[in-house]
Amino acid sequence: AQKVTQAQTEISVVEKEDVTLDCVYETRDTTYYLFWYKQPPSGELVFLIRRNSFDEQNEISGRYSWNFQKSTSSFNFTITASQVVDSAVYFCALSEYRGAQKLVFGQGTRLTINP
Amino acid sequence: ETGVTQSPTHLIKTRGQQVTLRCSSQSGHNTVSWYQQALGQGPQFIFQYYREEENGRGNFPPRFSGLQFPNYSSELNVNALELDDSALYLCASSSRPRLAGGETQYFGPGTRLLVL
Repeated sequence: AQKVTQAQTEISVVEKEDVTLDCVYETRDTTYYLFWYKQPPSGELVFLIRRNSFDEQNEISGRYSWNFQKSTSSFNFTITASQVVDSAVYFCALSEYRGAQKLVFGQGTRLTINP
Repeated sequence: ETGVTQSPTHLIKTRGQQVTLRCSSQSGHNTVSWYQQALGQGPQFIFQYYREEENGRGNFPPRFSGLQFPNYSSELNVNALELDDSALYLCASSSRPRLAGGETQYFGPGTRLLVL
């Protein structure tokens, strides 16, 4: 069975600090996909990144970066120079390659950036 | 914005009633998935429709049912509502050229259902 664990329930930092959100996953599949979504108070899940299991290159997009390590089954997300607008709940998710490709979500990490 | 729309935005029902939630997928998308998100939890997969056929179901009872229409919009129906059905219901659409591939799912704003 697939499982995603986000051990950090809540994180609170001061603006401009760097923050890393942890994600650990479990799957028996050799081909799978990993995602990060952001959920602001409005409720809509906003897509941030998709990674397939064969691509372990780290990715950077502006202030956001992602570190995928297959050896430790982790897909961590770092926000550099955090801003108040980054405050939200962040979800890591895992999807199978075949079948319904349902997203299996972690419990989420509530990130609060204080001015 | 993703182009995925859901209606209504909020709904209040009483236990035992039935409810229908609606979702319009993003243009060009042929797959719709439904998720239930209880307060403080991550979304849980209910089921998925691919080209008008159910293509996978999560651990939800048969009183949760759905439809997908030829224009790829979708409905989620819940019969015999229970208090625990109170949640945010999220619809997600994706474009799948075939039944494999891990395409990105784009979510709508959700419908908040409260069962009293």
